[in-house]
Amino acid sequence: ILNVEQSPQSLHVQEGDSTNFTCSFPSSNFYALHWYRWETAKSPEALFVMTLNGDEKKKGRISATLNTKEGYSYLYIKGSQPEDSATYLCARNYGQNFVFGPGTRLSVLP
Amino acid sequence: NAGVTQTPKFQVLKTGQSMTLQCAQDMNHEYMSWYRQDPGMGLRLIHYSVGAGITDQGEVPNGYNVSRSTTEDFPLRLLSAAPSQTSVYFCASSPTKTGLPWDTQYFGPGTRLTVL
Repeated sequence: ILNVEQSPQSLHVQEGDSTNFTCSFPSSNFYALHWYRWETAKSPEALFVMTLNGDEKKKGRISATLNTKEGYSYLYIKGSQPEDSATYLCARNYGQNFVFGPGTRLSVLP
Repeated sequence: NAGVTQTPKFQVLKTGQSMTLQCAQDMNHEYMSWYRQDPGMGLRLIHYSVGAGITDQGEVPNGYNVSRSTTEDFPLRLLSAAPSQTSVYFCASSPTKTGLPWDTQYFGPGTRLTVL
């Protein structure tokens, strides 16, 4: 089973700050990289699925990039708001399985 | 559509007891999976299924059984509960067809299990 890593483990930012986190994964036999947003006491919700090297996805103030050759993806949040506070998970496909990283916990302080 | 539903929401068991966590989806998804979530470890795959009648092991299958007799249901059975199985369990489904798992997974609300 491959290892998916995320950094930092946790992050505190002020409202209005922009921030980014990293997902690192083995690049061999790559199919797809997923980002999920997980609020406390709720279920993970999908943000993006990216499959191609150089992919960029955007949803409102949140965007993500993918580098399959070097095995990393960045998630960016522009102008963070308190409602962005959540754990952000990335997951890579491994055969027919999904392997999740441990997540980055973001707290946005008003 | 109800999406992915899980029952119960909470459960307390004694060591050695058995139980079944229920998961159902009404989206006609082929792929279903069970994860456990433990602090600092993210989501770990227990078992998955790519269609009715087909199941396979994930990263942490020991102590759990699954079956997939219908497309809609994917129950997870704890054979003899142990304190190490105290966790939050999530069921998920995806429209992915066999062999091409890059579709988004949709998660249920979770079951919080405590084994004393």
